[in-house]
Amino acid sequence: GEDVEQSLFLSVREGDSSVINCTYTDSSSTYLYWYKQEPGAGLQLLTYIFSNMDMKQDQRLTVLLNKKDKHLSLRIADTQTGDSAIYFCAEKEDSGYALNFGKGTSLLVTP
Amino acid sequence: DAGVIQSPRHEVTEMGQEVTLRCKPISGHDYLFWYRQTMMRGLELLIYFNNNVPIDDSGMPEDRFSAKMPNASFSTLKIQPSEPRDSAVYFCASSSEQGWQPQHFGDGTRLSIL
Repeated sequence: GEDVEQSLFLSVREGDSSVINCTYTDSSSTYLYWYKQEPGAGLQLLTYIFSNMDMKQDQRLTVLLNKKDKHLSLRIADTQTGDSAIYFCAEKEDSGYALNFGKGTSLLVTP
Repeated sequence: DAGVIQSPRHEVTEMGQEVTLRCKPISGHDYLFWYRQTMMRGLELLIYFNNNVPIDDSGMPEDRFSAKMPNASFSTLKIQPSEPRDSAVYFCASSSEQGWQPQHFGDGTRLSIL
C-alpha cells in the first residue's frame, strides 16, 4: 500500500510548542487524521482535515496540510506532560474505508 | 455513549491453545475493523466488515486466524492454534458509513502467547 512516514521520536520541554510531521505518498488521500495513543490504551481521534483545507485549528491543536508536498503537521501549543504519548498520522481515500497509518511519533514532554 | 468495547483486556495463554478476542462496535456503525499492533510492524489492518460481511481479509496473516461478525453488535477474532509470534495488541475499531467519518478504537486486547 501507499506509505505514510513519520519521525519516530520527539522530545520537548513543558510549555513549548510541539510539531509532529507526517508525509504521505497517495495523491488520492482525501481525509487525513491525527490519533493519540497513551500507554495501555487504544487510539483516540484528536483531529482530522480534508484535502481541500490548508489549516484547521482546535484549541491547542493546529493542523497544517501542504497538499502539493503531501505533508501534514500537527502543532500542539503549550505542550503539557499529559501530552506525552504516541501520535499517529493516517490517511484515507474518498472511495476507501480502511485507514493507512504511519508508525507513530513518540512525544516525550519533560518538565 | 459507549465506545468500542473489547474483551478480554489481557490474555496470556500457552502455545497451541485457541484464543478468542471479542469486540462490540459502537451502535449504528456499519464498519468494523480488526488491527494488530507490534513494535516491529506498527499497526496492521487484519480484516474489515461492512454490514457484518467481510470485505477485505488480505491482512489476515495465516489460516490460523479467522474472524466472524454474526450480528451488528458483535465480532470475534480467533487464533487456532496460537503461536508465540502472535503476541501483540489487537484492536477493534468501528466507523459509520460516511466517507470522512473516523474510526473509533477500543482499548485493545494485549495477547501474550508463551
